[in-house]
Amino acid sequence: DTEVTQTPKHLVMGMTNKKSLKCEQHMGHRAMYWYKQKAKKPPELMFVYSYEKLSINESVPSRFSPECPNSSLLNLHLHALQPEDSALYLCASSHGILSGANVLTFGAGSRLTVL
Amino acid sequence: SQKIEQNSEALNIQEGKTATLTCNYTNYSPAYLQWYRQDPGRGPVFLLLIRENEKEKRKERLKVTFDTTLKQSLFHITASQPADSATYLCAPIQNTGFQKLVFGTGTRLLVSP
Repeated sequence: DTEVTQTPKHLVMGMTNKKSLKCEQHMGHRAMYWYKQKAKKPPELMFVYSYEKLSINESVPSRFSPECPNSSLLNLHLHALQPEDSALYLCASSHGILSGANVLTFGAGSRLTVL
Repeated sequence: SQKIEQNSEALNIQEGKTATLTCNYTNYSPAYLQWYRQDPGRGPVFLLLIRENEKEKRKERLKVTFDTTLKQSLFHITASQPADSATYLCAPIQNTGFQKLVFGTGTRLLVSP
């Protein structure tokens, strides 16, 4: 299995809602990532988990709360989002984070719209 | 501050020609540089990785060069096809601490028949 699966593919939520994005991989990767991508821009790194511990937080607002319950799963909990948070949220995984030779495998993304 | 810049304008070429995409970086000393392809509404897909001690890397119709003096990588697609139309992203990676894969601005390639 060489895939990263993200659910849901599309999510529409109000500013007062609480929702979650989910990501799963079964490649035995020990690093998992969340990226945010706005239209016509490159993906921007949000969080990195290594061995289920948060290793990098790129100063993301607390209304985004990541969680890594085990090495195969990564969640992004969303609460009190703003319309400007509407974007494509990409999950990725890699063998590790201690070498630049680690390549990332991305999921297809979750398209989030905040009304 | 660190910057990774790619051709800002879309690159339009005719089928069969060679496409050359540029990745320039400043305030980086990357030990690796990765290239990805992204189709609209999809996640990036890894294409090639080149190390700082490698001048050139090839894979089928793809070729990447890495010039640490010029702080530049070039990505070539020979005999381009309409199916090569996509956005191409570079990511130089330093070899210190936790590796953060940060993408360049991306170049949109359009190959017309």
